[in-house]
Amino acid sequence: QKEVEQNSGPLSVPEGAIASLNCTYSDRGSQSFFWYRQYSGKSPELIMFIYSNGDKEDGRFTAQLNKASQYVSLLIRDSQPSDSATYLCAVKGTYKYIFGTGTRLKVLA
Amino acid sequence: GAVVSQHPSWVICKSGTSVKIECRSLDFQATTMFWYRQFPKQSLMLMATSNEGSKATYEQGVEKDKFLINHASLTLSTLTVTSAHPEDSSFYICSARAATDPRVPSSYNEQFFGPGTRLTVL
Repeated sequence: QKEVEQNSGPLSVPEGAIASLNCTYSDRGSQSFFWYRQYSGKSPELIMFIYSNGDKEDGRFTAQLNKASQYVSLLIRDSQPSDSATYLCAVKGTYKYIFGTGTRLKVLA
Repeated sequence: GAVVSQHPSWVICKSGTSVKIECRSLDFQATTMFWYRQFPKQSLMLMATSNEGSKATYEQGVEKDKFLINHASLTLSTLTVTSAHPEDSSFYICSARAATDPRVPSSYNEQFFGPGTRLTVL
């Protein structure tokens, strides 16, 4: 079992819709969780981090964490074509970050 | 916000040569820097963790004699790919984490990524 799992996609949503990206992790001791956006040929940029169970909202983005289910998700409201990218879930363990393989999102105009 | 730079942004070299990549934190002191490698359509794979003033910790399967890491100051870490071969061609990305703020639980300190260096070995 991979330590951090994501569906590779592509996930296609129409412009204006809600995109839902999911991530599961195996280490129950993980304490903080990050969502990064990566455009092709570029390095990742941080969108959000979350460390408490529940929802955390920032603009059009909402991160959801459920530690009991070892599940973290990212919702993107009012999706725009510029949101088309690969979204990486990262989990911070004791001292290092472990990344999922990423979900490719395509927002169709 | 915190800025991390990398130099060069891309490099093409002949097989057998060595290539040095620099990673700098421009507006903060980074006690820890991470070096990642990313092959096309794959995720970031951590190569090593570098702490200022001490030896780097390499991940399993990463040859420390081939990928030399030096973290000589709180703002600079270098990765040298020695005797590069075509299979070393990849996107190398560094990240830096700020010195621990005692007011903030260390678990929540985020890392800031550099723009990456694309290495092509002919």
